[in-house]
Amino acid sequence: SQQGEEDPQALSIQEGENATMNCSYKTSINNLQWYRQNSGRGLVHLILIRSNEREKHSGRLRVTLDTSKKSSSLLITASRAADTASYFCATDLARGSYIPTFGRGTSLIVHP
Amino acid sequence: GAVVSQHPSRVICKSGTSVKIECRSLDFQATTMFWYRQFPKKSLMLMATSNEGSKATYEQGVEKDKFLINHASLTLSTLTVTSAHPEDSSFYICSAPDLGWGTDTQYFGPGTRLTVL
Repeated sequence: SQQGEEDPQALSIQEGENATMNCSYKTSINNLQWYRQNSGRGLVHLILIRSNEREKHSGRLRVTLDTSKKSSSLLITASRAADTASYFCATDLARGSYIPTFGRGTSLIVHP
Repeated sequence: GAVVSQHPSRVICKSGTSVKIECRSLDFQATTMFWYRQFPKKSLMLMATSNEGSKATYEQGVEKDKFLINHASLTLSTLTVTSAHPEDSSFYICSAPDLGWGTDTQYFGPGTRLTVL
């Protein structure tokens, strides 16, 4: 069964605006990762946040993690048309191994 | 960063034929690789864990005789879709964790689009 669920499923914004995507998960995790996928392409790792971290930044990306609510958010600031893609969160399974389990993703469209 | 390649990127085959997809870690060794399947506008579903030197571990509902996995070396895993049918048409993605830096980041291949006619 899927572990992570992203919200919203689709997001359409104008260039320059911020985009916020949320991810909820069901069971305890060691880490949560965000990935980006351009249409018909493979996944690109964006950022990893561990269960003992609350916030992490990477360029225009800001990720938060609330383990009490079992949720994470990805904020893309000053969005660009090139940010148009699907974004997935993935959590590791409690198997002691590095197997991310993916949600359905948020489809982001940034209009120029 | 670490790179994972897949070959071919796109394949079209006739129903009943077998198709082999390769997944290679280019600049790191991967004792474990993962195979995912993705339907249009859907999530990635883990199919199996490929283990170098031992049998693959399949997820529930995935036919091991249908999707043959061989992890022949520390840098190569292959997925063979045997007797392919139109319902096997999908986007197949492999990944490998690079544990060399003590992280558990997964690196994904670019994917293989399989179309079975």
